[in-house]
Amino acid sequence: DVQMTQSPSTLSASVGDRVTITCRASQSISAWLAWYQLKPGKAPKLLIYEASRLNSGVPSRFSGSGSGSEFTLTIGSLQPDDVATYYCQEYRTYFFGQGTKLEIK
Amino acid sequence: QVHLVQSGAEVRKPGASVKLSCKASGYTFTGWFIHWVRQVPGQGLEWMGWYNPKEGATKYAQKFQDRVTMTSDASGDTAYMDLRGLRSDDTAVYYCARGKFGWSGLYDYWGQGTLVTVSS
Repeated sequence: DVQMTQSPSTLSASVGDRVTITCRASQSISAWLAWYQLKPGKAPKLLIYEASRLNSGVPSRFSGSGSGSEFTLTIGSLQPDDVATYYCQEYRTYFFGQGTKLEIK
Repeated sequence: QVHLVQSGAEVRKPGASVKLSCKASGYTFTGWFIHWVRQVPGQGLEWMGWYNPKEGATKYAQKFQDRVTMTSDASGDTAYMDLRGLRSDDTAVYYCARGKFGWSGLYDYWGQGTLVTVSS
């Protein structure tokens, strides 16, 4: 089974900061990588798929990059609405990372 | 507009069963797989299985193989997930999600989640 490891587990940043979350796979997964945003009590949201494709309706401050076994999610300018937990996922085999909780300083 | 609306919170005793619903609207229900994913408190997301409404086919994660059943109703717009033999470690938020590309675990729309609490 592929293992997906995210870092950091928690992240605190200021509004307007550039924020980066990393996801590493235990083996090469090509570009079969998605990023989701979860907020309590709300339906989760697909942000990025195929490692770098922005899902429809997602603000352009979100971007994804990487291939093989190392990937990043970047928020270009952090907004208060971005407070959430972010998960990466290898979507051929369904495995998720353990999540990164993003807070505002 | 696509919506997946899930049933309300449930409380069960250990050993009991729970059946959760996921009502779809805004698209042709039989055209997309429905997956079920759960989030145990303090832990990450865990895929449980998928259901193909067009054929009634299913695939379950090995961990749940013996105690989960995924179905839909005759009217063709609601998916169900039945979990039996509940244990305290089944306490979680359960999500349904639409598969963007069939069986693959890429989910373009999710329900709002159903909290299931298992406690004696």
